[in-house]
Amino acid sequence: GENVEQHPSTLSVQEGDSAVIKCTYSDSASNYFPWYKQELGKGPQLIIDIRSNVGEKKDQRIAVTLNKTAKHFSLHITETQPEDSAVYFCAARPPYEKLTFGTGTRLTIIP
Amino acid sequence: ETGVTQSPTHLIKTRGQQVTLRCSSQSGHNTVSWYQQALGQGPQFIFQYYREEENGRGNFPPRFSGLQFPNYSSELNVNALELDDSALYLCASSLGGQGNSPLHFGNGTRLTVT
Repeated sequence: GENVEQHPSTLSVQEGDSAVIKCTYSDSASNYFPWYKQELGKGPQLIIDIRSNVGEKKDQRIAVTLNKTAKHFSLHITETQPEDSAVYFCAARPPYEKLTFGTGTRLTIIP
Repeated sequence: ETGVTQSPTHLIKTRGQQVTLRCSSQSGHNTVSWYQQALGQGPQFIFQYYREEENGRGNFPPRFSGLQFPNYSSELNVNALELDDSALYLCASSLGGQGNSPLHFGNGTRLTVT
């Protein structure tokens, strides 16, 4: 089955700086890659997703890039704000199979 | 648009007991997936229901079972609770049983087994 690795496990950045979280996946058949943000006491919230037919997707301060050859995908958050502090999860899904999550990155924005 | 709602929010059970967790899917969604999230870990897939049938299962024992009702709401049942079952149980709804649409999660049920 699919295996997703996520790095780093913790990340602290100064407010206003950029944050990058990286994931690798094992199943070359995976074609859907969402990112979730989980705040304390809440469930994961979908913030952006990308499918394998595109290499990059942006939504305001958030962007995701995908390298299918290397089986890497990354989340980029620019102009970070205190409300960006949370745990972020990447995930990957082959067609008609379950979504497999990474182990999470705890992002702390330092004011 | 109503999001995914789960009940109860917190639950404390004793080892060996049975528990039922409930989930109402987001309006318009016909597929429900259940995940277990241990502390400090990513969610792990338990199973998925589509049109009241289980159509995918993760590496969980048979004492984890579920139901989906005609209104697409769902239940997760766990028998013979073990200490390691302590976790956050997340329900997610989506559209279509083939797994091609995004998952939208509820806020989970925190289960503590003592």
